[in-house]
Amino acid sequence: AQSVTQLGSHVSVSEGALVLLRCNYSSSVPPYLFWYVQYPNQGLQLLLKYTSAATLVKGINGFEAEFKKSETSFHLTKPSAHMSDAAEYFCAVGKGNQFYFGTGTSLTVIP
Amino acid sequence: DAGVIQSPRHEVTEMGQEVTLRCKPISGHDYLFWYRQTMMRGLELLIYFNNNVPIDDSGMPEDRFSAKMPNASFSTLKIQPSEPRDSAVYFCASSLLGQGRYEQYFGPGTRLTVT
Repeated sequence: AQSVTQLGSHVSVSEGALVLLRCNYSSSVPPYLFWYVQYPNQGLQLLLKYTSAATLVKGINGFEAEFKKSETSFHLTKPSAHMSDAAEYFCAVGKGNQFYFGTGTSLTVIP
Repeated sequence: DAGVIQSPRHEVTEMGQEVTLRCKPISGHDYLFWYRQTMMRGLELLIYFNNNVPIDDSGMPEDRFSAKMPNASFSTLKIQPSEPRDSAVYFCASSLLGQGRYEQYFGPGTRLTVT
């Protein structure tokens, strides 16, 4: 069965610091992988997606994620956090006709 | 192209009343999903449709919940009768999953409060 695990339900970083949000998937075959962002009182917005092309995927707002098959990971990073990055981030996996969301990581940016 | 449209954006109702939430997916998308989001349970998939046909409703919490998709451009989620524990944000999303496009596009959500 497909599943996705996000390590850390809450992450706090200082403004200007590196953002690292962790996501691991369980699958014998690499699935399609996604990161979504949800700002307060809004719907989920697609941040980036991995579809078996380049392993390093660049998304909106300076975010990027690297697919590592050996680690079954798809961690989200941003070199320098901005106050506007404060939001809930969801990792998601798609394979076959199934689509699974992680439990989400709340990112707080400290000024 | 307009995104996924949901109405109403906010709904406040009394326990026992019927509630109907509406969704218009992105034109041309063949899959439609209904989700519920609460602080306690996070994001839950309730039901999804493929070409207007319900495929998996195992996430629908109780018989009080029902969903329909009479055509490719409209879907409803109905709660009858509503209860305070149904208070949540309900999201609709659509995708081109039938063409191998997994990414889902979400509407802004309907915030339901049942008093």
